Amino acid sequence: EPEVTQTPSHQVTQMGQEVILRCVPISNHLYFYWYRQILGQKVEFLVSFYNNEISEKSEIFDDQFSVERPDGSNFTLKIRSTKLEDSAMYFCASSEDSYSNQPQHFGDGTRLSIL
Amino acid sequence: AQSVTQPDIHITVSEGASLELRCNYSYGATPYLFWYVQSPGQGLQLLLKYFSGDTLVQGIKGFEAEFKRSQSSFNLRKPSVHWSDAAEYFCAVGRTGGGADGLTFGKGTHLIIQP
Repeated sequence: EPEVTQTPSHQVTQMGQEVILRCVPISNHLYFYWYRQILGQKVEFLVSFYNNEISEKSEIFDDQFSVERPDGSNFTLKIRSTKLEDSAMYFCASSEDSYSNQPQHFGDGTRLSIL
Repeated sequence: AQSVTQPDIHITVSEGASLELRCNYSYGATPYLFWYVQSPGQGLQLLLKYFSGDTLVQGIKGFEAEFKRSQSSFNLRKPSVHWSDAAEYFCAVGRTGGGADGLTFGKGTHLIIQP
């Protein structure tokens, strides 16, 4: 069964540094999402992406965050100047259609640790 | 804005016993409802979804859930649990007609299976 693939599985970064988290969505999917899960807390929506632009973003997704689909397969989340509170598990998801018709499929996540 | 409440943080069940995980949502219209499972170190796997129609939905791994509009609930059930069911379970809600909107998750219920 096709999977959403995320790399790396664990990223350790110094505070203030830039970090890029990478995702390869399922190949025929058109909608892409990033979520994060701070340790012990619930999964929170960050941003959705469709037709090469941001479709919706939460209040968490401020100016330090950006997303990009640099080629036909990758979908990235960039955090420009990391803070301690950015430490979390970041999940990428994709869906064939809007979730009203097709559910979101999640990757295994990238654990981001900010030192 | 929609919200999800999973009132049980931890539930312990004996192997072979029945299981019910509670989920209550808040949303002004009929929502789209999902249950996801997260095994340690893994991503979120979709168990089942409710979009419309029959209020009792069947999912993978022998799980089912019932949508009760009058109670704003979408409880997950399984008649006989297996040790491999030990995991974190998340209920999520999406807006109808939501397009690429993100899902809103509950805080999760940690399921422990006793031998």
